[in-house]
Amino acid sequence: AQSVTQLGSHVSVSEGALVLLRCNYSSSVPPYLFWYVQYPNQGLQLLLKYTSAATLVKGINGFEAEFKKSETSFHLTKPSAHMSDAAEYFCAVRTGGGNKLTFGTGTQLKVEL
Amino acid sequence: DTEVTQTPKHLVMGMTNKKSLKCEQHMGHRAMYWYKQKAKKPPELMFVYSYEKLSINESVPSRFSPECPNSSLLNLHLHALQPEDSALYLCASSQDGVGGETQYFGPGTRLLVL
Repeated sequence: AQSVTQLGSHVSVSEGALVLLRCNYSSSVPPYLFWYVQYPNQGLQLLLKYTSAATLVKGINGFEAEFKKSETSFHLTKPSAHMSDAAEYFCAVRTGGGNKLTFGTGTQLKVEL
Repeated sequence: DTEVTQTPKHLVMGMTNKKSLKCEQHMGHRAMYWYKQKAKKPPELMFVYSYEKLSINESVPSRFSPECPNSSLLNLHLHALQPEDSALYLCASSQDGVGGETQYFGPGTRLLVL
């Protein structure tokens, strides 16, 4: 069964610093992987997704993620953090048939001045 | 337009009440989803409708009853809920329920059961 693990439930960075949020997947078949962001009291917004077209995926708001099969990873990065990036970030993988998503436990990103 | 709307934004109900949550999308999507999200937790899938037919029920208690009147609308009928059902209920939609599609989420309904 496909699953994702997010290492670090809380990450704190300084404004302007590199953001790195970790996601490792477990899948017996090529996975569909997603990163979503959730701001307080809001729904989820798609940042980017991997569907095997390219290993480096660029998303919105300057985020990108690299699919590394050898490491079973799909880490999310942004070169320079902004205060507005403070939010909860979820990695997700399609599981089973259809379009069922299973989410990781989430990483709360805090951006400090 | 990639908007999924949900009403109401907030709902407080007693354990004997009957209420409904509503979700609407006008993107021509044929798959719609209900998720439940507890505080500080990831969303958990409850139901999936594909082409207006229920395709996935994640063993949700019968006090939650989904309905898909047409391809743009998704309802969640609530009856005899328990306080532990208090959560954020998120609706999402996608093209047609085939793997790899983006799911677009609404802002959610925050439910409090007293």
